[in-house]
Amino acid sequence: GENVEQHPSTLSVQEGDSAVIKCTYSDSASNYFPWYKQELGKRPQLIIDIRSNVGEKKDQRIAVTLNKTAKHFSLHITETQPEDSAVYFCAASTGTASKLTFGTGTRLQVTL
Amino acid sequence: DAGVIQSPRHEVTEMGQEVTLRCKPISGHDYLFWYRQTMMRGLELLIYFNNNVPIDDSGMPEDRFSAKMPNASFSTLKIQPSEPRDSAVYFCASSLLWVKSTDTQYFGPGTRLTVL
Repeated sequence: GENVEQHPSTLSVQEGDSAVIKCTYSDSASNYFPWYKQELGKRPQLIIDIRSNVGEKKDQRIAVTLNKTAKHFSLHITETQPEDSAVYFCAASTGTASKLTFGTGTRLQVTL
Repeated sequence: DAGVIQSPRHEVTEMGQEVTLRCKPISGHDYLFWYRQTMMRGLELLIYFNNNVPIDDSGMPEDRFSAKMPNASFSTLKIQPSEPRDSAVYFCASSLLWVKSTDTQYFGPGTRLTVL
């Protein structure tokens, strides 16, 4: 089955700096890659996603890039703010079954 | 829409007791997922349903766990008997798969289970 690896496990950046989280996947049939943000004590919430027919997608300060050849995708957060502090999960899916395989999560801390 | 609803939000029970977690998916969604989240193992998919039919239960840890979806608006996850290692946050999520969909899964608020 699919295996998703995520790095780093923790990331600390200063407010205003950029943060990058990277994931790799194993199943070449995967074609849907969402990113979820989970604040402390809250539920995971989708923040951005990308399909395999697109190399990059941007939504304000967040962007996701996908390299299908290398089987890796990344989350980029620019101009980080304290409210960006949370755990971020990447995931992969082959789409048709709607089943997601999650990475292990990255705890992002944005310091003042 | 109220989103995915889970109950109870917190459950404290003693080892050996039966525990039942409940989930109401978003109306019209055809997929329902049960996840378990712990610090050690992260977010694990336990089982998921499509149109009330279990599709993949390979993540269910053992026979003590069972899940049902008697209709499109209700699902249960039961643990009998419960053990301390079952302590975790259990999330239910639902999604709607249609042409050109993003397959977005919407999570419920979770049930924090503590087994003493």
